[in-house]
Amino acid sequence: DAKTTQPTSMDCAEGRAANLPCNHSTISGNEYVYWYRQIHSQGPQYIIHGLKNNETNEMASLIITEDRKSSTLIRPHATLRDTAVYYCIVRVETGGGNKLTFGTGTQLKVEL
Amino acid sequence: ETGVTQSPTHLIKTRGQQVTLRCSSQSGHNTVSWYQQALGQGPQFIFQYYREEENGRGNFPPRFSGLQFPNYSSELNVNALELDDSALYLCASSLRPALNTEAFFGQGTRLTVV
Repeated sequence: DAKTTQPTSMDCAEGRAANLPCNHSTISGNEYVYWYRQIHSQGPQYIIHGLKNNETNEMASLIITEDRKSSTLIRPHATLRDTAVYYCIVRVETGGGNKLTFGTGTQLKVEL
Repeated sequence: ETGVTQSPTHLIKTRGQQVTLRCSSQSGHNTVSWYQQALGQGPQFIFQYYREEENGRGNFPPRFSGLQFPNYSSELNVNALELDDSALYLCASSLRPALNTEAFFGQGTRLTVV
């Protein structure tokens, strides 16, 4: 599976944009970048995904570099409720399953 | 709310026993995946079901088995429980088993094996 590298933890002031980086230098042409977040003891929540173009939805924006080796999740105007573990995942075709391979993610802490 | 419901929410079992966990997928979703999340780690893929057939499996022993029913709900069965099976078990449903289709997770079942 394509490996992703994320910072272990990040802090963000409430009201500011949270910019979460992810490196995926071994990504292949047909592999998608997915972002999920998990608030303590809850199920992971889908945020956004993309292939090569930048994407935006009601939750966040996903910026993918032209060479696709890295991406940034932008959560504008972060609130205390955005405190969570954020997972960057490269989703691959595994001959069945199309599984999501979670790493250890980035613990984002939003503070006053 | 994702529309994916899991039951029970919490469960305590004794080592050696068997357990069945249940998942009701989001309306219209024919694909269900199961994940195991140990404390402090990310979820690990167990297996996926698509239209009642197993459609991929992770690195879990055969005592982890599953079923998907005609209404696309699913069960995860674990036999001969071990202490290390204590974890949060997550179910995710999606519209189809495609790379560009998002999967939505339930709130999980917390299994404790004593």
